[in-house]
Order: sequence, then C-alpha cells, then structure tokens
Amino acid sequence: ETGVTQSPTHLIKTRGQQVTLRCSSQSGHNTVSWYQQALGQGPQFIFQYYREEENGRGNFPPRFSGLQFPNYSSELNVNALELNDSALYLCASSPGQDVPTQYFGPGTRLTVL
Amino acid sequence: GQQLNQSPQSMFIQEGEDVSMNCTSSSIFNTWLWYKQDPGEGPVLLIALYKAGELTSNGRLTAQFGITRKDSFLNISASIPSDVGIYFCAGHNYGQNFVFGPGTRLSVLP
Repeated sequence: ETGVTQSPTHLIKTRGQQVTLRCSSQSGHNTVSWYQQALGQGPQFIFQYYREEENGRGNFPPRFSGLQFPNYSSELNVNALELNDSALYLCASSPGQDVPTQYFGPGTRLTVL
Repeated sequence: GQQLNQSPQSMFIQEGEDVSMNCTSSSIFNTWLWYKQDPGEGPVLLIALYKAGELTSNGRLTAQFGITRKDSFLNISASIPSDVGIYFCAGHNYGQNFVFGPGTRLSVLP
C-alpha cells in the first residue's frame, strides 16, 4: 500500500509568480485536504476535496485554488505569490469526507523571494 | 474561529523519564487526534480518540479524551531519543475542518 506522496519536495519562487503543488492520495482514499504550515506553527486548513468537489475551505483567499482528479490525486495552485506564502504545504488523505483519521504526505517546502 | 492551546510549548527531559502534555479548546470536539512531526516530514498520526473519557494506548503512548470534550492529554512513558519531535493535537467535528494546535516541542537528553 502506497502512502501519500507530494511533489516537488522543495520549490523557490519569486513574488507575483504562480505555483502548482501535487499530491497523490493513499490507495483507497477519496478525500484530500491541503494545509499550510508556517515555521513554528501547526498546520492551517486550506481546503478539502472529496470526489473531485471542494468540500470545505479555511480562511484563505481565492488565489489559493485546487483540483482533484478522477484517480483522487490533487493539485494546489497559488497565484500572485506573496512573501508570507512561504511555508510547508501538506497534503493529507482519508478514506471519506468525514472520516476523522487522515494521513499526511511529507510536504512541499515553498520559499517565496 | 476555533483555536487549540497546547502546553507546554516545549520541554526538555532526560531519557527514561515520563512525559505529559495537554491540549485545550474553548470549543467542544467530537474527535481528538495526536500527531508527531519530525523535522522535514509530515505529521504522523499517533492516536485517535472518539469518545469523551476514552483512554487509548499505542505502545508507550497513552492519550485521553477529556470528559468536557474540550481537552485531551498525551503521556509518553520511558522516553527514548526517537521520541524527539513536535507533538500536535487536532480536534475535529463532523462536517467541519480539522483544527490543529501550535505543538509541543519535545527534546530528550541522553
């Protein structure tokens, strides 16, 4: 059974650019959630996708958007990058939209210069 | 919005000692979860608690779901060097988002 994978591992962008981060969910999991973790803080919920539909969103602006594909993998897109978007972006998958146990990938470290 | 508080913020202990940490909320949760995060990695689920008063163990780890449903506790017995990391609590209610605490950083001295 393959766990949650994310790509790329690290990414450096400049202010104003756009970025796409990718996540493959654990086998059998149809729900993917994205989190932003700033240095020294806990993960902050961005949004969740269940069967290709957005299923809940945290307090993040519209320039944070996402997609989920038929194989349940997912993308996080961030437009007009700002310096404070620098963070570890975590993807977590679970076997259902309201299943409380979720399993995290290793994250993508985004640095915005 | 909902916020979780964790204490202590950080702790230094000697190898072999027991560890206690807790997580409190101003809101009620249906589920409490405890995660551990190592540097450069994603959080790993340690224990999930589903019922007020529940006490659950996973090896040397024991966690409790507080009776008020507003808090949870994690204990680690006989700490070892690989216990080093950041421990996060998370609360969840059905139909709502997960809320994470700011973490407790554990250092184990040999």
